[in-house]
Parts: sequence; C-alpha cells; structure tokens
Amino acid sequence: QQQVKQSPQSLIVQKGGISIINCAYENTAFDYFPWYQQFPGKGPALLIAIRPDVSEKKEGRFTISFNKSAKQFSLHIMDSQPGDSATYFCAASRGNNAGNMLTFGGGTRLMVKP
Amino acid sequence: DAGVTQSPTHLIKTRGQQVTLRCSPKSGHDTVSWYQQALGQGPQFIFQYYEEEERQRGNFPDRFSGHQFPNYSSELNVNALLLGDSALYLCASSKPGQLAKNIQYFGAGTRLSVL
Repeated sequence: QQQVKQSPQSLIVQKGGISIINCAYENTAFDYFPWYQQFPGKGPALLIAIRPDVSEKKEGRFTISFNKSAKQFSLHIMDSQPGDSATYFCAASRGNNAGNMLTFGGGTRLMVKP
Repeated sequence: DAGVTQSPTHLIKTRGQQVTLRCSPKSGHDTVSWYQQALGQGPQFIFQYYEEEERQRGNFPDRFSGHQFPNYSSELNVNALLLGDSALYLCASSKPGQLAKNIQYFGAGTRLSVL
C-alpha cells in the first residue's frame, strides 16, 4: 500500500511565526509532490508543488523543502497569518500511462492566533 | 472561467439506496478523478477517467462505478449504500499531457450522508 505520512496532526502558531508541516513517503516512484489547502466546506486548493529534481521551491510566503534521500518533504509558511488557518494536505503521485492518482497524507489542521 | 463544478452540494440517502454524483471539469481539462474524503481524513482515490474509460482505480469495491461523457463531464455511482459511505466526494480535473495530469484541481465536493 502506497502511503504518505504527515505530521503534526494539528499546529498552533502565533501571527507572524513560521508554520512547518512534514511529510514522508515510501514509494520511490513518486515524482510529483503537491500541497493542498482546504477550508471548511470547500474542496482542496492547490497551493504549491515540487518535482524531485529540485530541493526547494518558493512561492511567496510558501516554501517546499524536498529531501529525496530521506524520502521526506515539508511545507514552510513564513509570516503566518490568521487567514492561513486551514487544513493542509501533502500528496504524492506517480505519472504513468495508467493514471496519476494522488496519494494524500492525513492532514494538518493549522490555527494561526492573532 | 468556471472551475470544477459538482452537483448536488448535499445529499441524504438511506442504507441500500443508490446515488449518482455529477462533475463538470474545468474548461480545457479532459481527465476527471474522484476521491472520497471521510471526516477528518485526507482524500482517498476512487478512480480516474480519461477518454471515456476508467484508467486507474483505487481500493474501492465494485459498488462504486463511474462514467465519463464525450464532453468530459463525469458521474460517480454508488450502489447499495452503507453507513460508511457517508463522506465528502470530491471531483478533480486535469489537463491533457502526462505531466499536466499530475496537476489536479478540485471542486467543492458533494457531502453524502447515509442514514
């Protein structure tokens, strides 16, 4: 069974602080690693994604760090804001002719306190 | 440009009944994937449709079936509903191309409650 393990399950950060969420995967065939943000009552929204040929990708306040040898990747949210309070999911997929199913982690509920 | 749209928003059924959920992909997208998200958990892949055929399937029983139409819209059917089928059902679409298919955009989902 392909798995992606995510930690922590919940996270409380003060406004302006750094939020860090970690994920680990097992299948070395995975070649695409997205992060999704989900607000209550909404579907997941693609936040940022990375492929294993780079070790870091930054978009605004969001950064993915990728460690291929350790099979781990993490999301860093700099200058966290109350509006960032949501559930975050890491995911992984393997592109092939059969399909591109996403395997999700269990999610991290982030609360940013004002 | 409309995103991924799903209908209905909410649905209440009783055990043993059958349900059909619908999804329209983003404009220009030809691949549709369905996921089940139980409360407090990450989405679980059900299956993916491309060129009107099921291309990949997750670990779900045959009670879950689907269809893709020539306009790329899709339906998810669930027969003989169980209490455990209560969840948010998400549809995601992606563009043509092997690399582009990784980039999946989700709709708001259909909340199914089985009583």
